[in-house]
Amino acid sequence: DIQMTQSPSSLSASVGDRITVTCRASQRISLYLNWYQQKPGKAPNLLIYAASSLQRGVPSRFSGSGSGTEFTLTISSLQPEDFATYYCQQSYSTPPTFGQGTKVEV
Amino acid sequence: QVQLVQSGAEVKKPGASVKVSCKASGYTFTGSHIHWVRQAPGQGLEWMGWINPYSGDTNYAQKFQGRVTVTRDTPITTVYMELSRLRSDDTAVYYCAKSRDGYNFDYWGQGTLVTVSS
Repeated sequence: DIQMTQSPSSLSASVGDRITVTCRASQRISLYLNWYQQKPGKAPNLLIYAASSLQRGVPSRFSGSGSGTEFTLTISSLQPEDFATYYCQQSYSTPPTFGQGTKVEV
Repeated sequence: QVQLVQSGAEVKKPGASVKVSCKASGYTFTGSHIHWVRQAPGQGLEWMGWINPYSGDTNYAQKFQGRVTVTRDTPITTVYMELSRLRSDDTAVYYCAKSRDGYNFDYWGQGTLVTVSS
């Protein structure tokens, strides 16, 4: 199975900050990388697919980049509703696997 | 609008089975795979398997082979996930999720908490 490793595991930030979360895959996965946001007690929500494509309805302050084994999720100006846990997930091979999550806190 | 509505919380004893339903609406049911993903308390996300509602074909994670069965009832646009021989470490929220394409999931059910306790 492909291992996905996110860093940091948590970060503290303020409204208006630019933040970046990194995800590394244990082998090359081309652009088969997705990002989800999850708030407490809720299901995950797809933000970015294919490394950099913004899911419909997701604000443009979210962006994704990278290819191969290293990927980043950037939030350009953190909003109050963005405090949540973020997961990367590879969709290159079966089984699809997720990173351990990055919790963005105030 | 696309909706996936899951059945309610369950409490089961070790060794029992649980069957969770996922009612789909708002899109062509046979046009997208449905996946099951679980999340243990305070933990990350773990993929369990998928079903192709058109053909009924399934694919399961090796970890769950022999214990999980995913089925569908096309006339009522509902998918079921049954997990047998439950253990305490199967305590988790179980989600169904619709494929956007391949292994990315654009709509999710609200989750079903399954608690396994003696």
